[in-house]
Amino acid sequence: SQTIHQWPATLVQPVGSPLSLECTVEGTSNPNLYWYRQAAGRGLQLLFYSVGIGQISSEVPQNLSASRPQDRQFILSSKKLLLSDSGFYLCAWSVRGLETQYFGPGTRLLVL
Amino acid sequence: DQQVKQNSPSLSVQEGRISILNCDYTNSMFDYFLWYKKYPAEGPTFLISISSIKDKNEDGRFTVFLNKSAKHLSLHIVPSQPGDSAVYFCAASRDDYKLSFGAGTTVTVRA
Repeated sequence: SQTIHQWPATLVQPVGSPLSLECTVEGTSNPNLYWYRQAAGRGLQLLFYSVGIGQISSEVPQNLSASRPQDRQFILSSKKLLLSDSGFYLCAWSVRGLETQYFGPGTRLLVL
Repeated sequence: DQQVKQNSPSLSVQEGRISILNCDYTNSMFDYFLWYKKYPAEGPTFLISISSIKDKNEDGRFTVFLNKSAKHLSLHIVPSQPGDSAVYFCAASRDDYKLSFGAGTTVTVRA
């Protein structure tokens, strides 16, 4: 069966520090991969998605970037965090060609 | 631009009764709709989905209804159980496999 991992689960970072969140998927090949952010009391906002290694599409201009160095690895990064980057970050995957996405456990990021 | 809207931020229902969650969308290009359930500090869990070629899909206690002319869908949970207390998100997709989410409805099931 397929599983998706995210780490860390919780992260507290100072403003201006770098960020690296990692997501890995097991049990499937060539998945579509996604990064979402959920701000407090709001829905999920799509940040990036990827249909293959090195292929990244950005949905929202911002302080973040994403990379996909391996087929089942998706990384969310920032060079300098802002207070507004605080939130709950979710990675998701889907079978290529199908709409249903499956989410990881999420990372709660607090920027102080 | 919020293309998927869940206008009721919260819903309280008695255990054993029906929970009805509503969702409206504005983009007529959406052709696939999903409902997710989310507990605090966890990722959303896929519940049920429906294609735009159907008007109803049922899976156990969960039924989703789609009214394309009204651009409206609803999720019925019967009977409601305490474990159903969570935030429910409606999502919609065009043929590009990106999901647009509503803001969520918090369901509380009372004993």
